[in-house]
Amino acid sequence: KQEVTQIPAALSVPEGENLVLNCSFTDSAIYNLQWFRQDPGKGLTSLLLIQSSQREQTSGRLNASLDKSSGRSTLYIAASQPGDSATYLCAVPSNRDDKIIFGKGTRLHILP
Amino acid sequence: EAGVAQSPRYKIIEKRQSVAFWCNPISGHATLYWYQQILGQGPKLLIQFQNNGVVDDSQLPKDRFSAERLKGVDSTLKIQPAKLEDSAVYLCASSDRPGQGTPNYNEQFFGPGTRLTVL
Repeated sequence: KQEVTQIPAALSVPEGENLVLNCSFTDSAIYNLQWFRQDPGKGLTSLLLIQSSQREQTSGRLNASLDKSSGRSTLYIAASQPGDSATYLCAVPSNRDDKIIFGKGTRLHILP
Repeated sequence: EAGVAQSPRYKIIEKRQSVAFWCNPISGHATLYWYQQILGQGPKLLIQFQNNGVVDDSQLPKDRFSAERLKGVDSTLKIQPAKLEDSAVYLCASSDRPGQGTPNYNEQFFGPGTRLTVL
């Protein structure tokens, strides 16, 4: 059974710092891994999707990496801004049964 | 391109009442998902449709929850009767399912969610 863990559960950093959010999964048989952002009371916004054949994806100040063999993905945020404050979730669809499993998320707070 | 639409955005009901949520996926997306997200948790899949057929409803509490997607487009999720522990955000998502190896295979797009409070 696929399990997805995100560490840390919460993180507060001063504005301008670079930071790394972690996502680990137990079953490496995945199609891809998707990172989402969720603002309080809102739905999920897709940030990056990494295919199983890729090692990283970049979008602006965001860079996501994927290491299938070790069951890990990281989301790197460069030069953090107060507007980056949100909960970041990773989601992994299994290519065994198509179920998509979410982590519990990392609540990020950027201090002005 | 219009996104996933959901209504209502907020709903407050008393326990034992019934409630229904509506979702309109992105045009052309064959797969539709309903998730339940309890405060502080990640979304939990309740049911997944492929066109108008159910792919997975293993985590749907079938004694009180039901969902349908009759024409393979819009979907409704119903709770009857509601319990206090059903208070959550109900998220709808859709995806286009091109063949494997296609970029963005199975990427999900989410609606804004419906926040349900059961008193």
